[in-house]
Amino acid sequence: DQQVKQNSPSLSVQEGRISILNCDYTNSMFDYFLWYKKYPAEGPTFLISISSIKDKNEDGRFTVFLNKSAKHLSLHIVPSQPGDSAVYFCAASAIRGGNNDMRFGAGTRLTVKP
Amino acid sequence: ETGVTQSPTHLIKTRGQQVTLRCSSQSGHNTVSWYQQALGQGPQFIFQYYREEENGRGNFPPRFSGLQFPNYSSELNVNALELDDSALYLCASSSKASGRNQETQYFGPGTRLLVL
Repeated sequence: DQQVKQNSPSLSVQEGRISILNCDYTNSMFDYFLWYKKYPAEGPTFLISISSIKDKNEDGRFTVFLNKSAKHLSLHIVPSQPGDSAVYFCAASAIRGGNNDMRFGAGTRLTVKP
Repeated sequence: ETGVTQSPTHLIKTRGQQVTLRCSSQSGHNTVSWYQQALGQGPQFIFQYYREEENGRGNFPPRFSGLQFPNYSSELNVNALELDDSALYLCASSSKASGRNQETQYFGPGTRLLVL
């Protein structure tokens, strides 16, 4: 069962514009959400996270928005840079429930064109 | 601060063989989780080790087993390898205190396993 879904396998944006990556989840027990970035031949790199008690978390060019009622989160990158080109994974876990596993989406490949 | 390291980087095995993958956790972390990432998919949780004991397991058969050592490093063992075991195996470390997870896991570069 795929509890975390990233419905867009790829996204292409122009340098300097905004990139918006989307993620949906089905398990209402999830209370912590993360975005990871992955370059080829490397492991996923932690980017930004958000707890379910918040609806927005910002770190420099990266902002994550959480809509609990819609079970939807998004990652905004602005302005986008060519170095942001990578595969982005959304992940979710149920920390308060003591669940130790993190569920990942299938990833979205972002290409930022110069 | 030392990051998560994994060895080997690449491995080729034949069906039916056994394999051991290794992971050293990030400095200060006491918990190790293992994930399998098949081509075109996101990582899938195999299991987690905390204080040298399995502390949660995903939907993987018993031929996937692990160990954690007193220095918090870990091994993933897979017996009776199948062709579908070909994947990138990722190790992630985090810190658990007073029974509560630290939320963020930090990943190593992975071991790419090919089963022929």
